[in-house]
Formats: sequence, C-alpha cells, structure tokens
Amino acid sequence: NAGVIQTPRHKVTGKGQEATLWCEPISGHSAVFWYRQTIVQGLEFLTYFRNQAPIDDSGMPKERFSAQMPNQSHSTLKIQSTQPQDSAVYLCASSLEGEQYFGPGTRLTVL
Amino acid sequence: QQQVRQSPQSLTVWEGETAILNCSYENSAFDYFPWYQQFPGEGPALLIAIRSVSDKKEDGRFTIFFNKREKKLSLHITDSQPGDSATYFCAASDQGGSAKLIFGEGTKLTVSS
Repeated sequence: NAGVIQTPRHKVTGKGQEATLWCEPISGHSAVFWYRQTIVQGLEFLTYFRNQAPIDDSGMPKERFSAQMPNQSHSTLKIQSTQPQDSAVYLCASSLEGEQYFGPGTRLTVL
Repeated sequence: QQQVRQSPQSLTVWEGETAILNCSYENSAFDYFPWYQQFPGEGPALLIAIRSVSDKKEDGRFTIFFNKREKKLSLHITDSQPGDSATYFCAASDQGGSAKLIFGEGTKLTVSS
C-alpha cells in the first residue's frame, strides 16, 4: 500500500520563478492537507481539500500561493514569483477519517 | 501566539530508560491530539493519537497521558531504544482530526547506548 507520494523530492528555483509541487494522496482518502516546515517557523498549516473541494486556506500566503485538487488522485501547490523566504519543506498529508498521513515532502530551495 | 507548546526542546536518555515528552495547549476546543515521529529527511509519521474523551492511550512502548483540566498531555516512551532517536511533534485539532493540525515546536530525542 503506497503512502502519500510527493514530487519532486527536491526543487531548486531562481528568485522570481514559478514552482509547482505535486501530491498524490493515499488511494481512497478523501482529504488532502498541505503544510510547510522550516527551522524557524516549524510545521505550519497552509490549506486543505475534502472531496476535492477547498475547505480551509487560512494558512496560505494571500499572494503568490495557490493550490488545486483537480481530481481525487492528485493535488498541486503552485508558488509564483518565488522568493528566498519560500524556501522550506512542503509536506502533503492525506486522511480518511481523521488520522493524517504525511508524504516525504518536497524541499524547495529558492536561490 | 503559539497554541501548542512542547518541552523540553531536546532530551537525552539512556537505552532502556523511559523518555517523557511534554505538551500543553491553549484552545479548549481542541479534541484530538496526535503525536508524530520524524527522522531527518523524512515526513512526520503518525505514532499514536488520543481524543479528549480519554485520559490514556497505550500502544506498545508508547503511552499518552492526557489531562483535560490542565490542558496538558505527555508522551511516555518506555524501554527507549537508539532507533527511537528522532524529533517528536505534538499536534492538536478541533474537529476530531478532520481539520488542520496545529503543531508544537518539537522535542528532539536522543537515546544513547
């Protein structure tokens, strides 16, 4: 049983470029969550979907960040005009009935 | 405002000892508290979780003690092993885990042999 899959595992972008991160939830899970992890801020919630519908995006920076879930098998997090402060590990989690299971994360480095 | 706090920031125990990791929270609406274990380069892995209707949850060497009145909980790891060396995160949610998790800062545990 494959866990949550995140691609790419590492991404390096130049300042001002766009970055798209992919998440494939565990098959059958109805909710997908995005978090960000940094040394300074720790683990922070960004946004989540349930049955592909956006439910809570209270943690998303209002500019440059967007997330979508076009079908039940994947979600994307897009960061436009990346800035050095966007450097972090972006984590995706999926859940069926409460328990959230995390993927390995995508380490984004903005130079 | 940090809604979930953990202590200590780091902890070292000898192999075979019991490690005690502490967590406290502020929001009385929180009703679900999972603990995650994270190794370097990996995502957090769900270790054990408790709901606010219980005061204790046990799973092998891992036990959560929960005090709702004081808004405190602790994770006890008995017979600690070097393989338990990792960072442990306490988290909280107010919809039985169906909503976002609020994480503590983490406790880095080192088990020496």
